[in-house]
Amino acid sequence: NAGVTQTPKFRILKIGQSMTLQCTQDMNHNYMYWYRQDPGMGLKLIYYSVGAGITDKGEVPNGYNVSRSTTEDFPLRLELAAPSQTSVYFCASSRTGWEQYFGPGTRLTVT
Amino acid sequence: GENVEQHPSTLSVQEGDSAVIKCTYSDSASNYFPWYKQELGKRPQLIIDIRSNVGEKKDQRIAVTLNKTAKHFSLHITETQPEDSAVYFCAASTSNSKLTFGKGITLSVRP
Repeated sequence: NAGVTQTPKFRILKIGQSMTLQCTQDMNHNYMYWYRQDPGMGLKLIYYSVGAGITDKGEVPNGYNVSRSTTEDFPLRLELAAPSQTSVYFCASSRTGWEQYFGPGTRLTVT
Repeated sequence: GENVEQHPSTLSVQEGDSAVIKCTYSDSASNYFPWYKQELGKRPQLIIDIRSNVGEKKDQRIAVTLNKTAKHFSLHITETQPEDSAVYFCAASTSNSKLTFGKGITLSVRP
């Protein structure tokens, strides 16, 4: 199993541009999550999903959107990118909702 | 909502010594407490977890203890090695769908 995969690994965006961060898992996990990690600030939950067709906001959802049309994929959409969205983004998945397994991350810079 | 705090932000120990990292949480309804290790530039990885019906759990050189009355839990690493150097995150959950993370502690093991 590849586990949780994320693309791209790195991206530089200009202010106002949009992009989609891709996340795929091949473990048939129902639960999927998007976090952002800023230096010294831990992991903040952006959005999560408990199954296909179901999504909910986390702690810091503003400026982001998600969809969950399949069990495997959970893309994160950034509209009108802002410098405050410069961060490392991690996707995670879980079978039970307890133990979470993380992808390798996407490092995003908005200038 | 839940608030998880980790102190101090950095810890330095001599190789072979023990390290103890403590976390406090605010919501008495929290019932799941995982610890994640993140090496520089890598993804967070689950190393051990504990549920509220257990006071202690051990896995080789690492152990976690939970004090529900005081609302704190600790990670214990014995016989530390240079490869234990990393950022360690604690987290807490009141349900099986969301985790609240602390800001992380940087552990340095001096050879």
